[in-house]
Amino acid sequence: GAGVSQTPSNKVTEKGKYVELRCDPISGHTALYWYRQSLGQGPEFLIYFQGTGAADDSGLPNDRFFAVRPEGSVSTLKIQRTERGDSAVYLCASSSGTGGDEQYFGPGTRLTVT
Amino acid sequence: QKEVEQNSGPLSVPEGAIASLNCTYSDRGSQSFFWYRQYSGKSPELIMFIYSNGDKEDGRFTAQLNKASQYVSLLIRDSQPSDSATYLCAVDSGGYNKLIFGAGTRLAVHP
Repeated sequence: GAGVSQTPSNKVTEKGKYVELRCDPISGHTALYWYRQSLGQGPEFLIYFQGTGAADDSGLPNDRFFAVRPEGSVSTLKIQRTERGDSAVYLCASSSGTGGDEQYFGPGTRLTVT
Repeated sequence: QKEVEQNSGPLSVPEGAIASLNCTYSDRGSQSFFWYRQYSGKSPELIMFIYSNGDKEDGRFTAQLNKASQYVSLLIRDSQPSDSATYLCAVDSGGYNKLIFGAGTRLAVHP
């Protein structure tokens, strides 16, 4: 079946601009996660949704970052006033929703802030 | 600070050999343990998960978990050049859903 999809695959933006990154999880998966990966590092947790609500947003680095999942399926990660340090690959994962279960990643969005 | 530690490598093994990848974690409350494979420029791909102490085998892959020692390992038998990738160890954060990742071990399998 279809896996996790993310759009766009690449995004180049200027410092100070606003960006939106989209994630479409595996059909039927109630849990959705956003991670960020910098070169040479493992993914770093940002936020976790169970259904429509953000169950854990402890990884969001500051208030410029915000994510929504209004209908419990597609999620959008929003970054305001982008900074060069936001450049990374943003990964979305989904799981069936039971605690500690397997997470499957999408292809990621490579964000470059110039 | 909850941590997951891996040797960065590269771990170089000849084709057909066993590759052994190791991972230690700091949170004694962790209950779920995962190994992901990541090819250069691609996203992580789940290859093994283990929840109980002991061994779990799937094809050429064996995951081993020792909660008392806070240690997880991945064995790859009959290594192939196509196994050359970075292997990420991930651990749930104290039984909750977010994963803590190590920085990965780069494996190189040479013919």
